[in-house]
Amino acid sequence: SQTIHQWPATLVQPVGSPLSLECTVEGTSNPNLYWYRQAAGRGLQLLFYSVGIGQISSEVPQNLSASRPQDRQFILSSKKLLLSDSGFYLCAWGSGTWETQYFGPGTRLLVL
Amino acid sequence: GENVEQHPSTLSVQEGDSAVIKCTYSDSASNYFPWYKQELGKRPQLIIDIRSNVGEKKDQRIAVTLNKTAKHFSLHITETQPEDSAVYFCAAAGTALIFGKGTTLSVSS
Repeated sequence: SQTIHQWPATLVQPVGSPLSLECTVEGTSNPNLYWYRQAAGRGLQLLFYSVGIGQISSEVPQNLSASRPQDRQFILSSKKLLLSDSGFYLCAWGSGTWETQYFGPGTRLLVL
Repeated sequence: GENVEQHPSTLSVQEGDSAVIKCTYSDSASNYFPWYKQELGKRPQLIIDIRSNVGEKKDQRIAVTLNKTAKHFSLHITETQPEDSAVYFCAAAGTALIFGKGTTLSVSS
């Protein structure tokens, strides 16, 4: 069966520091991968999606970037965090484009 | 692009009552409609989905109905229990998967 992992689970970072969040999927090949952000008590904002290695589509221009160095690995990065980057970051995978998506456990980021 | 409206934003019911959450979408090409449940501090989890060639789907106490002509779909939960308390998100998939803003369901015993 398929499993999706995210780490770290929680992170407290100062404003202006870099960020690297990692997501890996097991049990499937060539998944579509997604990064979402959820502000406290809010909905799901799609940040990036990828249909293959090295292929990244950005949905929201901001100080975040994403990379997919391996088939089942998706990384979310920032060079300098802003206070507004605080939130719950969710990685998801799907077997088809814009089909059922399965979410990872999430990373809770607090920027101080 | 696709726009998904979800109502109500909050819903409070007594245990045993039914709960209905409604969503409307704008893109007539959308053909897949999943529903997710998110408990506090947890990830969203798929609870039921429906495709455009089906009008209704049921799984125990939950059911989803789809009206393609009117471009709306609804989640029905019967015999609600306290553990049904969560945020529920609808979504519509066409050229993208677009989520509604969520409904916070509170079931009091």
